[in-house]
Amino acid sequence: QLVQSGAEVKKPGESLKISCQGSGYGFPYSWVAWVRQMPGKGLEWMGSIFPSDSDTRDSPSFQGQVSISADKSTNTVYLQLSTLKASDTAMYYCARQKAARGSFDLWGQGTLVTVSS
Amino acid sequence: DIQMTQSPSTLSAFVGDRVTITCRASQIVYNWLAWYQQKAGKAPKLLIYKSSNLESGVPSRFSGSGSGTEFTLTIDSLQPDDFATYYCQQYKSNSTFGQGTTVES
Repeated sequence: QLVQSGAEVKKPGESLKISCQGSGYGFPYSWVAWVRQMPGKGLEWMGSIFPSDSDTRDSPSFQGQVSISADKSTNTVYLQLSTLKASDTAMYYCARQKAARGSFDLWGQGTLVTVSS
Repeated sequence: DIQMTQSPSTLSAFVGDRVTITCRASQIVYNWLAWYQQKAGKAPKLLIYKSSNLESGVPSRFSGSGSGTEFTLTIDSLQPDDFATYYCQQYKSNSTFGQGTTVES
């Protein structure tokens, strides 16, 4: 399973790091993706990471805005959001990929991030 | 970026209906196409991968077809539990989702 950190409320300009911890499978050897869902909107792939060597693939739409990292010793991947804006208010999901080029077969429960002054 | 376009955006149906959702890619994605179901307040759930492969545990009334740029998700005999939003996803080049199709009663 993938278990994400809890909901966050932040002010504009602040930064945030949310986590996703995997268990029950060979976590370091499966790609993990981050997906954003803004309120009432669709799914957007933000990027993916291979925890074993921290190889990352970034979405051009989010490049420079987010940072994805991993700690294979704790089976955890992270999504860092800097200089938060109200438009970063969204649900953020992590998801395991079946392969480097793979669909997302296991999802975390989601982390709701609210950015408000 | 590869753009994914689903149609329709909303679909009204009854229990027992056969439902078809279409997804078009702006470039050839071969069969690197998945379908997901999402219910309100829940994480998406993988239904179909590589265009036509049924994910383990998914009822056989769900099926997928297509290759290249045109794909279809079919639900045979719609059940009450199937009212939800469905997304296609290409993963031939990075990943892109369609805008979603809501199946409502």
